[in-house]
Amino acid sequence: TQLLEQSPQFLSIQEGENLTVYCNSSSVFSSLQWYRQEPGEGPVLLVTVVTGGEVKKLKRLTFQFGDARKDSSLHITAAQPGDTGLYLCAGARGGTYKYIFGTGTRLKVLA
Amino acid sequence: DAGVIQSPRHEVTEMGQEVTLRCKPISGHNSLFWYRQTMMRGLELLIYFNNNVPIDDSGMPEDRFSAKMPNASFSTLKIQPSEPRDSAVYFCASSRDIGTQYFGPGTRLLVL
Repeated sequence: TQLLEQSPQFLSIQEGENLTVYCNSSSVFSSLQWYRQEPGEGPVLLVTVVTGGEVKKLKRLTFQFGDARKDSSLHITAAQPGDTGLYLCAGARGGTYKYIFGTGTRLKVLA
Repeated sequence: DAGVIQSPRHEVTEMGQEVTLRCKPISGHNSLFWYRQTMMRGLELLIYFNNNVPIDDSGMPEDRFSAKMPNASFSTLKIQPSEPRDSAVYFCASSRDIGTQYFGPGTRLLVL
């Protein structure tokens, strides 16, 4: 059973467009992380959110943790080709090392 | 500073052969994780070591898989005998306790 569903699965957009990626679950998580993975590389952590309703910004990326801590979104403003990659969300229950990874969103930004 | 180092980067082997994947964590990190990534199942945790001791191996698929961490700077993941369904990208990650995990570049394994 996949606990974390991401949507969309694939997304291809033009440079300069905005986009939102979603991460949904029926389970409550104590913390949620977002990673970006480029081809041939391991995932790289972008952000960790721990409080329901929390919003974090990282340059053009805005991350939000749902009030009930069951879902999260990643919004990218004015996407650039360098944003291309696989975006993964990962949730943990309790103060634990064990993150469950989502199904992933593969983003391609065309110049 | 060197990140997590994995070797080999690519491995092609035949069914039934033994495969050994290697990982050198970031110096000073005391937690080490082995993950497997496939299109069908995504990224899954196989085993977690803390201070060289296996803490959670509940993700190890079956007895054909084994992992060791003889010291703080080296870990191996062994598959014996290998099967085609073991084909995947295997990642090693390290962290300080349960802090940020830093992933290596992965080993792409193909079992024919």
